[in-house]
Amino acid sequence: NAGVTQTPKFRILKIGQSMTLQCTQDMNHNYMYWYRQDPGMGLKLIYYSVGAGITDKGEVPNGYNVSRSTTEDFPLRLELAAPSQTSVYFCASRTDRGPPTEAFFGQGTRLTVV
Amino acid sequence: GQNIDQPTEMTATEGAIVQINCTYQTSGFNGLFWYQQHAGEAPTFLSYNVLDGLEEKGRFSSFLSRSKGYSYLLLKELQMKDSASYLCAVRDYDYKLSFGAGTTVTVRA
Repeated sequence: NAGVTQTPKFRILKIGQSMTLQCTQDMNHNYMYWYRQDPGMGLKLIYYSVGAGITDKGEVPNGYNVSRSTTEDFPLRLELAAPSQTSVYFCASRTDRGPPTEAFFGQGTRLTVV
Repeated sequence: GQNIDQPTEMTATEGAIVQINCTYQTSGFNGLFWYQQHAGEAPTFLSYNVLDGLEEKGRFSSFLSRSKGYSYLLLKELQMKDSASYLCAVRDYDYKLSFGAGTTVTVRA
């Protein structure tokens, strides 16, 4: 059971570069989420999606973009990377069709912008 | 939006009981979750409350009072492996899942 898979696990970017963080899930979940977690802090919601073709902003969307062309994939795009985007990024998914109702998380992408 | 508060740190002795409180203010409520997160790892699900009352799962229990905007996570018979961060999360009617800053629990021998 793969669950939620994120790639890459680690990445160092230079200021102004761009990259895409990949997230895929094999549980046929409609709901998917992107969070960032700064050291010693909780998770802040960047974007979320309730199904293919539907995305919406969370608390901290600035500097990021998402797309959801398929149920399985929910990539997060960083344009013009800034040091403030140094963080650990978690992707999560959950079903909207009864239990289990909790969100399942990927193992995270550790991003450093220098 | 959501405003979720929980203590920053707690310390307890192996074998003891610790209660982690969480208060929330929300524009809509559709369930409260507790997650455990070990350092450098992803959060893992512990418990879910949508109705008032106590949910018990082995050594872990979670309580919810919707009228008070209050929940707690009770960890019994603490073990060293319970040293971790515990995250309170609230789901709203738009199905956004918002997290508190987390409570770091340190278990001492």
